[in-house]
Amino acid sequence: NAGVTQTPKFQVLKTGQSMTLQCAQDMNHEYMSWYRQDPGMGLRLIHYSVGAGITDQGEVPNGYNVSRSTTEDFPLRLLSAAPSQTSVYFCASRRGQPYEQYFGPGTRLTVT
Amino acid sequence: EDQVTQSPEALRLQEGESSSLNCSYTVSGLRGLFWYRQDPGKGPEFLFTLYSAGEEKEKERLKATLTKKESFLHITAPKPEDSATYLCCVPIQGAQKLVFGQGTRLTINP
Repeated sequence: NAGVTQTPKFQVLKTGQSMTLQCAQDMNHEYMSWYRQDPGMGLRLIHYSVGAGITDQGEVPNGYNVSRSTTEDFPLRLLSAAPSQTSVYFCASRRGQPYEQYFGPGTRLTVT
Repeated sequence: EDQVTQSPEALRLQEGESSSLNCSYTVSGLRGLFWYRQDPGKGPEFLFTLYSAGEEKEKERLKATLTKKESFLHITAPKPEDSATYLCCVPIQGAQKLVFGQGTRLTINP
């Protein structure tokens, strides 16, 4: 099992550009989530999904879109990048509640 | 408001010097508490799940305990390779979401 994979590992964007961060898991997990991690702020939930076709907002959803068309994939879209979105992004998955969550290696995004 | 608070923010120990990290929470109807380890530049790695007060879990030099209001991660005779940030989190809102503490950055000096 590859577990949770994320691409790219690093990305630099200019303000106003759009991009998609990819996330995939091969563990057949129902739940998938996106977090951002900033110094002093900890891990904050952006969006999450409890199954294919079902998504909901987390703590900091503005500026981000998600969709879940398959169990395996959960891409995160930045519609118009802003410097405030400079962060490290982690995707995670878990079997369901109340089971533990597994994280991907992260994407470090810089918006200039 | 559902909240998780970890203390201290940072802890520096000498190799072999035992200590404890704290995770206090205010959630209604606890449905588990999770501990993670995060190394620089990597994603968090799962360590333990605790479900009920009084429960304990151990792994090598780490032992996690749970009460009704807080959890402790005890580290016994730590080694430099135990240096990392330790995170705790709890499920909220029907366990659909997880809320994280800000972490404790642990440094073990040889």
